[in-house]
Amino acid sequence: TQLLEQSPQFLSIQEGENLTVYCNSSSVFSSLQWYRQEPGEGPVLLVTVVTGGEVKKLKRLTFQFGDARKDSSLHITAAQPGDTGLYLCAGEQGGSEKLVFGKGTKLTVNP
Amino acid sequence: SAVISQKPSRDICQRGTSLTIQCQVDSQVTMMFWYRQQPGQSLTLIATANQGSEATYESGFVIDKFPISRPNLTFSTLTVSNMSPEDSSIYLCSVDVTSETQYFGPGTRLLVL
Repeated sequence: TQLLEQSPQFLSIQEGENLTVYCNSSSVFSSLQWYRQEPGEGPVLLVTVVTGGEVKKLKRLTFQFGDARKDSSLHITAAQPGDTGLYLCAGEQGGSEKLVFGKGTKLTVNP
Repeated sequence: SAVISQKPSRDICQRGTSLTIQCQVDSQVTMMFWYRQQPGQSLTLIATANQGSEATYESGFVIDKFPISRPNLTFSTLTVSNMSPEDSSIYLCSVDVTSETQYFGPGTRLLVL
């Protein structure tokens, strides 16, 4: 059973478009992290959200943690080819310090 | 943050052999983790490497297949034993810098023929 459902699995858009990636679960997480992974590299942490309803902005990226701490979204404004990569959400349950990963969203931004 | 290195970065191995992957972090950390990422897939936790005690393995992973060492607070090794082509994956170590943040190494790309 996949605890974290990520959608869409694949996304191909043109430069300048906006997009949203969703990460949903029936479980509550004490924190949720978003990573971006490029081919041949390890995942790079983008943000950690810990408070229900929290919104964090990182330049053109906006991250939101649901009020019930069961879901999260990543919104990218005016996507650029440099945003291309695999976006992964990962949740930590109950202070266990172990992460459960979603299956990832493979984003391609075409120039 | 933490700077993590892994050796080797990639390897091609014959079935039946074993490979030991090293993970080095630039600061002392309590928690170190080992993940597997099969081709086109997400990350699956193999085990938590505990300093001074046995590693804690997740369901589906056993010590005989993936022995782990954690001799100090900056270093860990994962051995993939008696390899088969199904073990071809990216193996990643990560460290828990704070209770809510993990940082990953660059990964070791393993191909088993």
